[in-house]
Amino acid sequence: NAGVTQTPKFQVLKTGQSMTLQCAQDMNHNSMYWYRQDPGMGLRLIYYSASEGTTDKGEVPNGYNVSRLNKREFSLRLESAAPSQTSVYFCASSGGRVETQYFGPGTRLLVL
Amino acid sequence: AQSVTQPDIHITVSEGASLELRCNYSYGATPYLFWYVQSPGQGLQLLLKYFSGDTLVQGIKGFEAEFKRSQSSFNLRKPSVHWSDAAEYFCAVGDRSNSGYALNFGKGTSLLVTP
Repeated sequence: NAGVTQTPKFQVLKTGQSMTLQCAQDMNHNSMYWYRQDPGMGLRLIYYSASEGTTDKGEVPNGYNVSRLNKREFSLRLESAAPSQTSVYFCASSGGRVETQYFGPGTRLLVL
Repeated sequence: AQSVTQPDIHITVSEGASLELRCNYSYGATPYLFWYVQSPGQGLQLLLKYFSGDTLVQGIKGFEAEFKRSQSSFNLRKPSVHWSDAAEYFCAVGDRSNSGYALNFGKGTSLLVTP
């Protein structure tokens, strides 16, 4: 099983550009998550989708939008990238609320 | 407010020595807890988890952790560290008593293993 996959692995953007980070899971999980990881900050939740058709804000949602395309896929969009969004982005999935979250390999984003 | 604290930002141990990484949380009465490991440039791998039952849990790679409700702690231990254990370790806590989905992560402990 591939588990949780993310594309792209690396991306460089200029300030103001837009992009979409893709995430897919093959574990038939109901819930999916987007986190960002910054040095010394641990992981902070951006958005999550408890189940297909629903999305909710996490701790740091400003500047991001998400789409739960279907049960497998959950995308994160930056409409107008800012240098403060330079980070490593992780997608995760879980069977439900009180269940283990499994993480993808991450996308490293640099905004110049 | 709910919080997770990993008091040690960096820890250095000699190969073969024992290891304990600390995790303290401030949460409701029904937490569920995880330890994840992250090697450089990689994603997070689950080491072990506690939901209920036996408070001493065994994980992969020879790690174990003990949930101590009275101390609000979930410390990670390994009796003999290997050089390949050098990585960043994250404690994460969720609350079963509310409807939220978020895990609260500590800021991580970076482990260096010396020969």
